[in-house]
Amino acid sequence: AQKVTQAQTEISVVEKEDVTLDCVYETRDTTYYLFWYKQPPSGELVFLIRRNSFDEQNEISGRYSWNFQKSTSSFNFTITASQVVDSAVYFCALSENWGGGADGLTFGKGTHLIIQP
Amino acid sequence: DAGVTQSPTHLIKTRGQQVTLRCSPKSGHDTVSWYQQALGQGPQFIFQYYEEEERQRGNFPDRFSGHQFPNYSSELNVNALLLGDSALYLCASSSVGQTQETQYFGPGTRLLVL
Repeated sequence: AQKVTQAQTEISVVEKEDVTLDCVYETRDTTYYLFWYKQPPSGELVFLIRRNSFDEQNEISGRYSWNFQKSTSSFNFTITASQVVDSAVYFCALSENWGGGADGLTFGKGTHLIIQP
Repeated sequence: DAGVTQSPTHLIKTRGQQVTLRCSPKSGHDTVSWYQQALGQGPQFIFQYYEEEERQRGNFPDRFSGHQFPNYSSELNVNALLLGDSALYLCASSSVGQTQETQYFGPGTRLLVL
């Protein structure tokens, strides 16, 4: 069975600080996808990034960066120079592949990120 | 390009009633997945529809059922509502055949069962 663990329930930092959100996953499949989604107070899940199991290259997008390490089954998310607008609940998710596409997502419990001005 | 849409946005029902939620996928997508998100929790996968059939199902009772129409839109039906069914119901769409597909979510339907 697959599982996603986000051990940090809530993180509070002051604006402009860097912050890292941790994600650890478990899966028996060799082909899988990892995701990060952002959920602002409005409730809609906003897609941030997808990583395939065979691509361990880290990625940077503006102030956001992701560190994927298969050796430790982790997919961590770092926000550099945080801003108040980054305040939201962030979810890490895992999906296995059935050959034609991706299965339903398994989500972690989420990390509530609070950026104080 | 229209994203995933869901209706209604909010719904109030009483225990024992039945409810139908609707979802229209993002343009070009053919697969619809449904999730239930209780307050303070991560979304839980209910089921996924592809080619008008339920392709995969999570750990939800048979009271939860669905349908996918030829235009790829989908419905989620919940019978014999319980208080514990109160949650945000999220629909996500994706496309089979693309090697790196992503599920895009709609705004959700907030269901309150009294």
